[in-house]
Amino acid sequence: ETGVTQTPRHLVMGMTNKKSLKCEQHLGHNAMYWYKQSAKKPLELMFVYNFKEQTENNSVPSRFSPECPNSSHLFLHLHTLQPEDSALYLCASSRERSSYNEQFFGPGTRLTVL
Amino acid sequence: GNSVTQMEGPVTLSEEAFLTINCTYTATGYPSLFWYVQYPGEGLQLLLKATKADDKGSNKGFEATYRKETTSFHLEKGSVQVSDSAVYFCALRDDKIIFGKGTRLHILP
Repeated sequence: ETGVTQTPRHLVMGMTNKKSLKCEQHLGHNAMYWYKQSAKKPLELMFVYNFKEQTENNSVPSRFSPECPNSSHLFLHLHTLQPEDSALYLCASSRERSSYNEQFFGPGTRLTVL
Repeated sequence: GNSVTQMEGPVTLSEEAFLTINCTYTATGYPSLFWYVQYPGEGLQLLLKATKADDKGSNKGFEATYRKETTSFHLEKGSVQVSDSAVYFCALRDDKIIFGKGTRLHILP
């Protein structure tokens, strides 16, 4: 399997639930990213990992907790979310964290918080 | 800070029409500029990029030129197809990557 995959593709959860989003890349990249895509808003970069180390956290609430156990896998752990957190969550990877490197995106997880 | 502004959508055109989607940016440094495309149900895909002033990125008949004097990176295509229907995102990357809000394009057969 090639490219960037994300599971699940769709997730509905209550505000008290705990769930995790998974991202896997088969491109041999060293940088991975989480984005939030909400309707009528710019794509928001949430977290960046470079060689398994978190290099950026763009003021994301602590109810979102990322984990990068290795360069191929990235998780986003969710707990006590709010309805306004409903969005498409996109994972991306690039060769490394550089302004010149193309980012490859997964198809996203459509999250609905009830 | 850095920002990207692109034209509001949706844009609706007939097949074989000429396409322009405007994108302007503000940046303190010398960013790289990108256009990404998102087809229904998929993630974003890089369409083209330019890394310095006067560079022209091109791919699949789409073109965009990095214009430093007008701080613009407008996307153009001479003859659009129904399969070009998607959402198009302009982005810049300096220290961080910043995306525009996206422009939805509908091409009618």
